Amino acid sequence: KQEVTQIPAALSVPEGENLVLNCSFTDSAIYNLQWFRQDPGKGLTSLLLIQSSQREQTSGRLNASLDKSSGRSTLYIAASQPGDSATYLCAVDLASGTYKYIFGTGTRLKVLA
Amino acid sequence: ETGVTQTPRHLVMGMTNKKSLKCEQHLGHNAMYWYKQSAKKPLELMFVYNFKEQTENNSVPSRFSPECPNSSHLFLHLHTLQPEDSALYLCASSQGREGPGGYTFGSGTRLTVV
Repeated sequence: KQEVTQIPAALSVPEGENLVLNCSFTDSAIYNLQWFRQDPGKGLTSLLLIQSSQREQTSGRLNASLDKSSGRSTLYIAASQPGDSATYLCAVDLASGTYKYIFGTGTRLKVLA
Repeated sequence: ETGVTQTPRHLVMGMTNKKSLKCEQHLGHNAMYWYKQSAKKPLELMFVYNFKEQTENNSVPSRFSPECPNSSHLFLHLHTLQPEDSALYLCASSQGREGPGGYTFGSGTRLTVV
């Protein structure tokens, strides 16, 4: 059974810091992995989608890497800003069966001005 | 606007009421999903529809009844709910395995059962 873990559960950093959020999964046979952002009480906003054949994806200050063999993905946020404060979720899709995502519990990020 | 619209945004209902949640997407996606998000828990998959056919029911109690009349619309009918069903209900859509994958989420319905 696929399990997705995110570390740390919560993180508080001063503005301007570069930071790394971690996601690990137990079954390396995945179709893709997606990082999301969720503001309190709101839906999820897609940040980056990495296909199983890709090693990384970049969008602005965000960079996500994927190492399938070790079951890990990292989300790198450069020059963090208070507006980055949110919960960050990763989700993986198994390569077989019905297409559906298994989510991690998220990392709650607070960037202090 | 994310491309996936959920209504209502907030809903308060009594345990004997019947209500429905609505989800609509105009992204041309062929798969739609219901997820439940409770405090301090990972998102829980409830139902998956692919080309209007239900392909997954994740052991959801029968007081939750999904309906997918076409690939653009998804409903979740609610009846005789319990207070522990209070949560944020999220709808998502995707191209599934027909495309590159990836979900687009709606803003959710915050449900409170009293």
